[in-house]
This record gives sequence, structure tokens and C-alpha cells, in this order.
Amino acid sequence: QKEVEQDPGPLSVPEGAIVSLNCTYSNSAFQYFMWYRQYSRKGPELLMYTYSSGNKEDGRFTAQVDKSSKYISLFIRDSQPSDSATYLCACSTLTFGKGTMLLVSP
Amino acid sequence: GAVVSQHPSWVICKSGTSVKIECRSLDFQATTMFWYRQFPKQSLMLMATSNEGSKATYEQGVEKDKFLINHASLTLSTLTVTSAHPEDSSFYICSASSMSSYEQYFGPGTRLTVT
Repeated sequence: QKEVEQDPGPLSVPEGAIVSLNCTYSNSAFQYFMWYRQYSRKGPELLMYTYSSGNKEDGRFTAQVDKSSKYISLFIRDSQPSDSATYLCACSTLTFGKGTMLLVSP
Repeated sequence: GAVVSQHPSWVICKSGTSVKIECRSLDFQATTMFWYRQFPKQSLMLMATSNEGSKATYEQGVEKDKFLINHASLTLSTLTVTSAHPEDSSFYICSASSMSSYEQYFGPGTRLTVT
């Protein structure tokens, strides 16, 4: 079992939709969880950063961690075409998911 | 926010030659730098971790004699791909973190094409 599992997508939604991106992980020792956004042929940029369980909100983005089920989520409200990118989850800085490609159509 | 730069952004080299990629933290001191490789539609694969002034720690399966990493200062790390082969063609990304934060700040990446 891979340490971090993430559906590669692509996930296609219309503009304005609520998007839910998810990852599962296997190592219960992970404490830090991050979501990165990566545009094509660019380096990843940090979107959200959470420690342990709970929710964190930043504008249209909400990160959620459920350590009991080893499940992390990123919600995007009122999605925009500019949100089209690959979203990578990461655990404790060094373990990345494969990334989910999101396509938001106008 | 913290800025990490990479140079060059794109390089083409002939098989058998060596290529050096630079990673710089522009506005903070990077005590640790990471080098990743990313193939198309694949995730970031950590190659090595380097701490300033120390030898790099390589991940299993990464040849340290082929991928030479130097972290000589708190703002600069270099990755040299020696005797490059076409299968080394990939997107190489560095990231940096400081002692005060667990966050990693990524560079824009370097696309290497070996012909």
C-alpha cells in the first residue's frame, strides 16, 4: 500500500461548483498535512497547511483532516477556471500524493 | 512569501554530458533543501535531502554518484546530473525550508531533456 493515495482524475466541473479533493494515507505518525497547487510545467505552490485533525479555512479553500480515518480533504467553493491545475496532498513534508488534475470549465 | 528560484528553467544536453541545476532561496536562509524529480503525470519523487554544510541524504534507488548534490551555503544548493542519459529526461524541482518552519517552498522547476 502506498503511503499517500490520491485519485489522479481528471475531475471536471463547471465554474461555480464546489470541488472536493481527497487523499488517504497509511502512516498514523503523520502530523502535518499540506495541499499544493501545481500548474502545468511549474513548481508546486503551497495552498493550505494543517496540523493534526480539524478544519482550516482560507478564502474559498477549506482543508479538512480526519486522523481517525486517515483521510484529508480540500474543498474549493465557487470554483473558477483559474483553479484548473493539479492539486497535490502531502503528509509531514516529504510524502506526496500523485496529484488530482482539476478542470474548471467556464 | 518565501521565494525559491531555479536556474536554468529548461536545458537540453547531449547524452554523456553533465548538467548543473541551481536552486536558490532568495529571501530566507534555507537550512534544508530537497530535490525532487517528476515524470509526466506522476507525483513528486524525492531524490535527496541536503542540509547546509553536510553531505546529502539520498533516497533508496537514487545513485549518489550520478546525481551530485552540493549545499554549500544557506541560500544555494546545486544538483549535477553526470553522464546524462535520455532516461534522465524529467522535470527536476527543488524546495527549501528553514529551521523555523516545516513548510517547504518550491522552485519553479527545471526541465531537462537529454538527446
